[in-house]
Amino acid sequence: KAGVTQTPRYLIKTRGQQVTLSCSPISGHRSVSWYQQTPGQGLQFLFEYFSETQRNKGNFPGRFSGRQFSNSRSEMNVSTLELGDSALYLCASRGGGPREVAYEQYFGPGTRLTVT
Amino acid sequence: GQSLEQPSEVTAVEGAIVQINCTYQTSGFYGLSWYQQHDGGAPTFLSYNALDGLEETGRFSSFLSRSDSYGYLLLQELQMKDSASYFCAVVSSGNTPLVFGKGTRLSVIA
Repeated sequence: KAGVTQTPRYLIKTRGQQVTLSCSPISGHRSVSWYQQTPGQGLQFLFEYFSETQRNKGNFPGRFSGRQFSNSRSEMNVSTLELGDSALYLCASRGGGPREVAYEQYFGPGTRLTVT
Repeated sequence: GQSLEQPSEVTAVEGAIVQINCTYQTSGFYGLSWYQQHDGGAPTFLSYNALDGLEETGRFSSFLSRSDSYGYLLLQELQMKDSASYFCAVVSSGNTPLVFGKGTRLSVIA
């Protein structure tokens, strides 16, 4: 079974620009979560999508948004980039069904975003 | 809200045993997961504890005490390849997302 894939792997943008990152989950997984990882801050939860609906949202400004398509692929968008948005953006997938306990997630390799 | 505390760095000698602690504060606690992340890599799932006690998986074991809001990851017979960051994560009831600690960077030295 193919793992979680993310594109692009690396990205350099300028302040004020916007960026779109893509994530393809493991086949059959309907839940996709996005995390921001910066040095010393661990993994901070951005949002989770399940069956094309945002199911959970973290404490990030509205500049961060996402969506999920009918094939479970997900995109996240960051508008009006700031220097502090430089980070590794990870997506993770799991089955996500209503009876599932979310203890195990499968992470993609991440997109390294640098804002200059 | 939810919060987790774990040491930021730990250094241990190859072949030794190391314990990485994690304390948490949360509502709706269901269990504690552990993830490993090598530099430049993706986090990968190691173990999960929903009940008090020790879970063993090869050289790795994980412990949970729900009454103390405390858990730890125990790594035995340390190898150089175990040098990585280790994250504890709180699992809450329902389909709420995992909340991760800030991670412990383990350095294994010869």
